[in-house]
Amino acid sequence: EPEVTQTPSHQVTQMGQEVILRCVPISNHLYFYWYRQILGQKVEFLVSFYNNEISEKSEIFDDQFSVERPDGSNFTLKIRSTKLEDSAMYFCASSEEGAQPQHFGDGTRLSIL
Amino acid sequence: GNSVTQMEGPVTLSEEAFLTINCTYTATGYPSLFWYVQYPGEGLQLLLKATKADDKGSNKGFEATYRKETTSFHLEKGSVQVSDSAVYFCALSDRRGYQKVTFGTGTKLQVIP
Repeated sequence: EPEVTQTPSHQVTQMGQEVILRCVPISNHLYFYWYRQILGQKVEFLVSFYNNEISEKSEIFDDQFSVERPDGSNFTLKIRSTKLEDSAMYFCASSEEGAQPQHFGDGTRLSIL
Repeated sequence: GNSVTQMEGPVTLSEEAFLTINCTYTATGYPSLFWYVQYPGEGLQLLLKATKADDKGSNKGFEATYRKETTSFHLEKGSVQVSDSAVYFCALSDRRGYQKVTFGTGTKLQVIP
């Protein structure tokens, strides 16, 4: 079964540094999403992306965050200047259509030191 | 806005016991409802879904019925196995817009032999 793949599985970064989390959505999917899960807390929506633009974003997704689909297969989340509170598991998801269930990757654990 | 409330965990059951994890929701529209499961060290997997009132989603012996009158979507399984040990997330997505998923806090299930 096709799946969403995320790399790396674990990223350790110094506070203030830029980090890019990478995702390869399922190939025929058109809608892309990022979520995060701070340890012990619920999974929170960050941003959705369709037709090469952000379609919706949460209040968490401030100017430090950006997303990009640089080619036909990758979908990236960039955090420009990381803070300690950015430490979390970040999940990428994709869906074939907006109304279809989202398929999630295994996540990238981001640790900010 | 949308929100999901599910029972606190952890839930510890003996193998072959009956499982119920309660979930209620608040939504401004007519949402689709989901249960996602997260096995240790893995990402979020869609377990089952229901898209309209009285629909029953089912998969791997798990069931949940969309109850619009009580705004509930309780997860049940008649006989749990050790391999069912995981964190279970109740979730919803709005049919409008780009269908971001709103998650509950998750319920950790531990099944002991």
